[in-house]
Formats: sequence, C-alpha cells, structure tokens
Amino acid sequence: AQSVAQPEDQVNVAEGNPLTVKCTYSVSGNPYLFWYVQYPNRGLQFLLKYITGDNLVKGSYGFEAEFNKSQTSFHLKKPSALVSDSALYFCAVRPRGAGGYQKVTFGIGTKLQVIP
Amino acid sequence: GAVVSQHPSRVICKSGTSVKIECRSLDFQATTMFWYRQFPKKSLMLMATSNEGSKATYEQGVEKDKFLINHASLTLSTLTVTSAHPEDSSFYICSASPGRETFFGQGTRLTVV
Repeated sequence: AQSVAQPEDQVNVAEGNPLTVKCTYSVSGNPYLFWYVQYPNRGLQFLLKYITGDNLVKGSYGFEAEFNKSQTSFHLKKPSALVSDSALYFCAVRPRGAGGYQKVTFGIGTKLQVIP
Repeated sequence: GAVVSQHPSRVICKSGTSVKIECRSLDFQATTMFWYRQFPKKSLMLMATSNEGSKATYEQGVEKDKFLINHASLTLSTLTVTSAHPEDSSFYICSASPGRETFFGQGTRLTVV
C-alpha cells in the first residue's frame, strides 16, 4: 500500500523568508510525486511534479521541490514567501504504470500561513 | 495542457433528493477517472475508480448504492449522490490522467439542507 505523510498540520513563515513544507512517502518502486495547492473553496491546482531526472524540480509560482530517494522525501520549498502563498498544500504520490489507471494518494495537507 | 472540467461548482439540495455531478475530460480520452471527497480540514479521500464501460470500483467504506458512478463515455463520468443527507455535504473532486500527469476538476461544493 502507498502512503504519504505530511508531518506538519500548519507552517507559519514571515513574508520574505524561505519556506519548506515537508512530505515523505511510502510506495514500492519509483513513484511519480506531485504537489498541489488549494485555495479556500477551490479545486486543486498543480504546482509541480517529479517524474524522472534532476532531483530538484521547479514548478509554478516560484516553488520547487527536492526529491530524495534515500529519505523517501519530496519537500516543497520557496526561497521567499509571499502572503498570497497562504493556502493548503497537498503532497501526492502515484505509482508508475501504464496510462491513467494508477490512483493518486494524498497527504493530509499542510496549511501554509505567510505572515506579513 | 489537459483539462478536466467538473460541473456544477456549487450545488445546494434538499435532504432526500439526488444530485448529479459531472466530470469531463475536455481534450483527451479517459478510460479511468477517480472521484475524491474532501472533508473539512482533511485530506482528499478516494471514493471510487470510474471505469469506462464497466462498473466502478469503490473504496472500502463507500456505499456504492448511495454514490452511483456512471462512466458512459471516454470523456464523461458522473457521480450521483442519491437520497442526500446533510452528512453528505462535502467537497467532491474528480481526476483523470491522460498519461503520466493527473489533472483535477475544480471541485463541487455540495450542501444538503
């Protein structure tokens, strides 16, 4: 069975400071890894993904994530936080497989609060 | 990029009535779609896997007679909440994957009064 852990319910960071939202996963093989953001009463918005290649993945809105296979982690980072980054962030994992038959498992979500 | 469209975005219904939510893949064919439910301050929980031309696969604890799923074409899956109750009020999201990426609908906020 696959699982995703986001150990922090909430992360508070001052505007302009770097931010990190943690994610670890458990799945057999080499999975696809994703980060999504959700604003209140909205659907999920894709931020970035790791498929293969460079362990540092750059995504939307200045976010990036580092894939660490040995630690089975995929932490989300941003060098300088904005107040508008305040939202709910989900880490997700999906096994490699043919087509779209593999289901995505989400972490519980981490609320990011950027303080002005 | 690929787009998944979900409709309606918000719906309010009376207890005992049924509500249908649509999920469409706009520029790709999706033989498989997924339906998720999000409880307040909780993660997204997979409810079922919708399979085109065959029965949906439900996750443990999800009532298949209450949450009817129909995947009648390669671009459309529907979720019908039957005999809705206030505890069914939630945020429902569908997803589909044209390949390695997974795309999500914008979600449907269901409120049962």
